[in-house]
Amino acid sequence: GENVEQHPSTLSVQEGDSAVIKCTYSDSASNYFPWYKQELGKRPQLIIDIRSNVGEKKDQRIAVTLNKTAKHFSLHITETQPEDSAVYFCAASGGGTGTASKLTFGTGTRLQVTL
Amino acid sequence: GAGVSQSPRYKVAKRGQDVALRCDPISGHVSLFWYQQALGQGPEFLTYFQNEAQLDKSGLPSDRFFAERPEGSVSTLKIQRTQQEDSAVYLCASSPRPAGGYNEQFFGPGTRLTVL
Repeated sequence: GENVEQHPSTLSVQEGDSAVIKCTYSDSASNYFPWYKQELGKRPQLIIDIRSNVGEKKDQRIAVTLNKTAKHFSLHITETQPEDSAVYFCAASGGGTGTASKLTFGTGTRLQVTL
Repeated sequence: GAGVSQSPRYKVAKRGQDVALRCDPISGHVSLFWYQQALGQGPEFLTYFQNEAQLDKSGLPSDRFFAERPEGSVSTLKIQRTQQEDSAVYLCASSPRPAGGYNEQFFGPGTRLTVL
């Protein structure tokens, strides 16, 4: 089955700096890569996603890049703000047989934006 | 419109008790997923429904776990004879499209289960 690894596990940046979170996946058939933000005690919220037919997608301060050859994808947050502080999860789906759209998640990155 | 809702939000059970967790997906969503999230970990897949059909239950940890979605909307996850290792947050997610390919999933707030 799919295996998703995520780094770093914790990330501390100063307000206004950029943050980058990286993930790798194992199943070359995976074709959908969402990113979720989860604040303490809250539901995971979809913040951006990318499909395998594109290499980059941007939405205001958030961007995601995908390298299918290397099976890497990354989340980039620019001009970080204190409200960006949360745990971020990457995920992958669509590969292999069976339920193609079940999500396999990384282990999460705790981002702390300091003033 | 209303998002995915789950109830109860918190559940404390004594070891050996049965529990039932409810998920109300977004109206009209075809796909419904259950995930288990242990403390400090990412969610892990448990089971998937397309309408009322349970198409994948490969993630259910044991035969003590049972899920249903009899009318293709509300779903219930039942855990029999709960054990301490069942303590986790149980998340439900729904998606407007059937499984296969791109499938945005929208999560509920979860039920935090604590087994004493």
